[in-house]
Amino acid sequence: DQQVKQNSPSLSVQEGRISILNCDYTNSMFDYFLWYKKYPAEGPTFLISISSIKDKNEDGRFTVFLNKSAKHLSLHIVPSQPGDSAVYFCAASALGNEKLTFGTGTRLTIIP
Amino acid sequence: ETGVTQTPRHLVMGMTNKKSLKCEQHLGHNAMYWYKQSAKKPLELMFVYNFKEQTENNSVPSRFSPECPNSSHLFLHLHTLQPEDSALYLCASSHPKTLDRGSEQYFGPGTRLTVT
Repeated sequence: DQQVKQNSPSLSVQEGRISILNCDYTNSMFDYFLWYKKYPAEGPTFLISISSIKDKNEDGRFTVFLNKSAKHLSLHIVPSQPGDSAVYFCAASALGNEKLTFGTGTRLTIIP
Repeated sequence: ETGVTQTPRHLVMGMTNKKSLKCEQHLGHNAMYWYKQSAKKPLELMFVYNFKEQTENNSVPSRFSPECPNSSHLFLHLHTLQPEDSALYLCASSHPKTLDRGSEQYFGPGTRLTVT
């Protein structure tokens, strides 16, 4: 049973436009959500996180939105740049627990 | 050195070999993790250490044996592995998560393991 799902395995976006990556979860105990970016032959790099007490967190070009009632979060990247081409993973953890549950990832390709 | 480092980056071993993966973090964290990433699967948590004590073993076979001598170093000892154990093994570290604070994990580059 996959508790964190990224239903789009890939996404292509024109440079300069907005990229929207989506993630759904099933475990209502999750209270902390993270996005990671991964280039080939490298480990995942932390991008941005959000606590369940918030519905939005912004850091530069990256904004994460959380809809608790829908158990859905999204990552917005604007404007998209060629260096954003990578695999993006969402992850979640439950209250007082370090264990991260990851989605399967979405491969984002930015088209110049 | 900064961040989380892992050695070796690539490892090929036979099923009867014994080898060890090493992870070192320079971030002052107290929690360390081993993950496995197989092709087309999500990252799977294997082990968690908090302040050198193992707090999570995610039903990992005994042919994988972790060791955490201090908060900065983590090892994964491998013996009599199977070909299906071939994967990318990632180490991560973080501050321990508390009830009022989330915790981001920072990953090393991984060890690409091939079992022949």
